[in-house]
Amino acid sequence: QQQVKQSPQSLIVQKGGISIINCAYENTAFDYFPWYQQFPGKGPALLIAIRPDVSEKKEGRFTISFNKSAKQFSLHIMDSQPGDSATYFCAALTYNAGNMLTFGGGTRLMVKP
Amino acid sequence: DGGITQSPKYLFRKEGQNVTLSCEQNLNHDAMYWYRQDPGQGLRLIYYSQIVNDFQKGDIAEGYSVSREKKESFPLTVTSAQKNPTAFYLCASSSGWGKGQYFGPGTRLTVT
Repeated sequence: QQQVKQSPQSLIVQKGGISIINCAYENTAFDYFPWYQQFPGKGPALLIAIRPDVSEKKEGRFTISFNKSAKQFSLHIMDSQPGDSATYFCAALTYNAGNMLTFGGGTRLMVKP
Repeated sequence: DGGITQSPKYLFRKEGQNVTLSCEQNLNHDAMYWYRQDPGQGLRLIYYSQIVNDFQKGDIAEGYSVSREKKESFPLTVTSAQKNPTAFYLCASSSGWGKGQYFGPGTRLTVT
């Protein structure tokens, strides 16, 4: 059972555009929602994260929007750059279950120059 | 230079052989995790350990074994019982409650 659903599977954006990746979850016990960026052949790197009591978090060009009532959250990449081309994973974590992460299926982003 | 190291980066084995993947961290993190990633797929949890000498099965533990004799080390053995062992294996660690997980560079295992 996939507890975190991520869309789209792939995304092509022009340089300077906005990339938007969406995730939806089912388990209301999730406590923390990180996003990871993964380049080919590398391990995922923690990009930005949000707690469910916050509706938005911004770090540079990256913003997480969180809608607790809809059980949805999204990553916005402003002024997208070719160097942002990577696979992005949303995830959800439960503190009282050993900090277990449940991952979305991933979005492969390509930013065209 | 703190971080998580995994070795080797690429590993080739014949079918029927057990193989052990190394994961070491010098971040003083209590919790460590092993994930498997198949091409174009997300990450699936194999095993995790929250403290030395203790570990728990994840979603896909069958055919794998682990040990946690030291805080810094969490090796994963892929046994011959694992039906489809070819994959990208990722190790991660976490400092505890409310903290994210940090990943190593991964080991790509190919079994033929």
